[in-house]
Amino acid sequence: SQQGEEDPQALSIQEGENATMNCSYKTSINNLQWYRQNSGRGLVHLILIRSNEREKHSGRLRVTLDTSKKSSSLLITASRAADTASYFCAFSHSGGYQKVTFGTGTKLQVIP
Amino acid sequence: ETGVTQSPTHLIKTRGQQVTLRCSSQSGHNTVSWYQQALGQGPQFIFQYYREEENGRGNFPPRFSGLQFPNYSSELNVNALELDDSALYLCASSLATGDAYEQYFGPGTRLTVT
Repeated sequence: SQQGEEDPQALSIQEGENATMNCSYKTSINNLQWYRQNSGRGLVHLILIRSNEREKHSGRLRVTLDTSKKSSSLLITASRAADTASYFCAFSHSGGYQKVTFGTGTKLQVIP
Repeated sequence: ETGVTQSPTHLIKTRGQQVTLRCSSQSGHNTVSWYQQALGQGPQFIFQYYREEENGRGNFPPRFSGLQFPNYSSELNVNALELDDSALYLCASSLATGDAYEQYFGPGTRLTVT
């Protein structure tokens, strides 16, 4: 399967702590994106990192990409209860149409 | 809010029936993708439409079909429904420019097949 794998599957932390989620994939990619999903509803785009970038920041989010290891990580700093959601990595493949493959997701719970 | 809408919100159908789900893209977007998300799983790519033509397809049987209209709204049709088709169906619109793009997702349609 070309699906991305995310680790951990679930994560429970205290408010104020940092949360780190990891994503691994198997194919060559154009870019990798992270999405957030609340309670099985629509996904919200968080951040996109291109294959020639190594690190990107957006507010409390930091994303790294290591194409040699085919892995990415999402760090949420100073977590809040409102960050409780499922987080998915998604990557678009090199060449052809813009198919996006999603990872298996990490369910984050931030305890107030 | 992303500007992408889907209808209906929830739907219950019986095995063997047919269903049509609808998606209205964000203004200016010419590409729409459909995904199936089973409970506890990541979204699975069904197919993508670009300027009214199917532009790519995932590992789904032909009973899953779609349409994109001139105003870039879209439909997903599923024939001969099976119990395993029960899932959240998501559409996402985007503007196809280059190799990096951002998808805007609708809230999804929850389909239950009994």
